[in-house]
Amino acid sequence: DVKVTQSSRYLVKRTGEKVFLECVQDMDHENMFWYRQDPGLGLRLIYFSYDVKMKEKGDIPEGYSVSREKKERFSLILESASTNQTSMYLCASSLWQGSYSNQPQHFGDGTRLSIL
Amino acid sequence: SQQGEEDPQALSIQEGENATMNCSYKTSINNLQWYRQNSGRGLVHLILIRSNEREKHSGRLRVTLDTSKKSSSLLITASRAADTASYFCATDARTSYDKVIFGPGTSLSVIP
Repeated sequence: DVKVTQSSRYLVKRTGEKVFLECVQDMDHENMFWYRQDPGLGLRLIYFSYDVKMKEKGDIPEGYSVSREKKERFSLILESASTNQTSMYLCASSLWQGSYSNQPQHFGDGTRLSIL
Repeated sequence: SQQGEEDPQALSIQEGENATMNCSYKTSINNLQWYRQNSGRGLVHLILIRSNEREKHSGRLRVTLDTSKKSSSLLITASRAADTASYFCATDARTSYDKVIFGPGTSLSVIP
């Protein structure tokens, strides 16, 4: 079974802090994704990566950056945390088979991040 | 922008009953997926159905796709309390990007 592990289930940080969220997958998947999930807004794609050191912006990249130095690890960085970044953050991975949409995404259990 | 949207937003049924959730989308798709999310957890993939398929089964789950109506349905038969979760459809957008877009979800409560 694919396992996607997010480093923290709960995290509390202060405004202005630089925050790192880590995600590791163990199935050699090419694609990795970061989403945030907010009530009434569903899942929104922040960034994704299709290869080591490659990244693409999703729908809401402002205030975030990402890093993929190794295939199995994809990090989300909040450069200067703000209260409106309080949310549930979900990482996912998938195989590349010519498309982003023809393979299931495998999700971690999420990090519930609170910015005070 | 919302590509897929589930209906109803919330559904409450008795254990043993069938649960049906619908997903409507706006533009042509290549694939449609259904996911489940238990409270406080990540999403779990249930079924992927391609645009040239009309129906797929997995255990107690049955997914249909009607591309002429731009809609899909997820049927859970003989529901159990453990089926209580949110259910999301995810569609692609036929652009060069072809990312997956998740709907807002249906919250299903199965009462024992």
